[in-house]
Amino acid sequence: DAGITQSPRYKITETGRQVTLMCHQTWSHSYMFWYRQDLGHGLRLIYYSAAADITDKGEVPDGYVVSRSKTENFPLTLESATRSQTSVYFCATLGDSPLHFGNGTRLTVT
Amino acid sequence: DAKTTQPTSMDCAEGRAANLPCNHSTISGNEYVYWYRQIHSQGPQYIIHGLKNNETNEMASLIITEDRKSSTLILPHATLRDTAVYYCIVRVASSGGSNYKLTFGKGTLLTVNP
Repeated sequence: DAGITQSPRYKITETGRQVTLMCHQTWSHSYMFWYRQDLGHGLRLIYYSAAADITDKGEVPDGYVVSRSKTENFPLTLESATRSQTSVYFCATLGDSPLHFGNGTRLTVT
Repeated sequence: DAKTTQPTSMDCAEGRAANLPCNHSTISGNEYVYWYRQIHSQGPQYIIHGLKNNETNEMASLIITEDRKSSTLILPHATLRDTAVYYCIVRVASSGGSNYKLTFGKGTLLTVNP
């Protein structure tokens, strides 16, 4: 039972490059979320999705794009990466009650 | 969602009970109290949740005051592996829309000392 798989686990990219972080779930949960975590800020919601083809902005959506063509996948794209987007990114799904989190992607933008 | 207030950090001796407080004075009647923890370099992990009554599971106990304005997470016999950041969150139970937008604060860093 893989649950939530995030890939890659680590990524280094250059300023201005496009990069996509992948999130895959095996539970068929309707809701999926992307958070970023930075020192001093805790977890902040970037985007969420209530179902396939339904997405909405969270607290810090600027500079990010999401899509949800299939229930099980929720990729997060940084269209033109900036140094301020260096962070740890967590994907999560919502089942009956608690959120389930992936193990994160550590992204460094140089 | 109601905002929560937690201490920035706490210490606990190994084998003793760890009591982590959370204030949520603006909680609404249909909002649950959830607790998560995050061990270094891992994704947050669900611990327990409750509405009004005290709850217990294999990981912890949750004590909610009668007025529901505060709660305490209790780890009965803390171990070194319980060192983590603990997040208290409140959210509505009903489905739909932004009700599922959970806001994580900065949490409490619990350090369990040998």
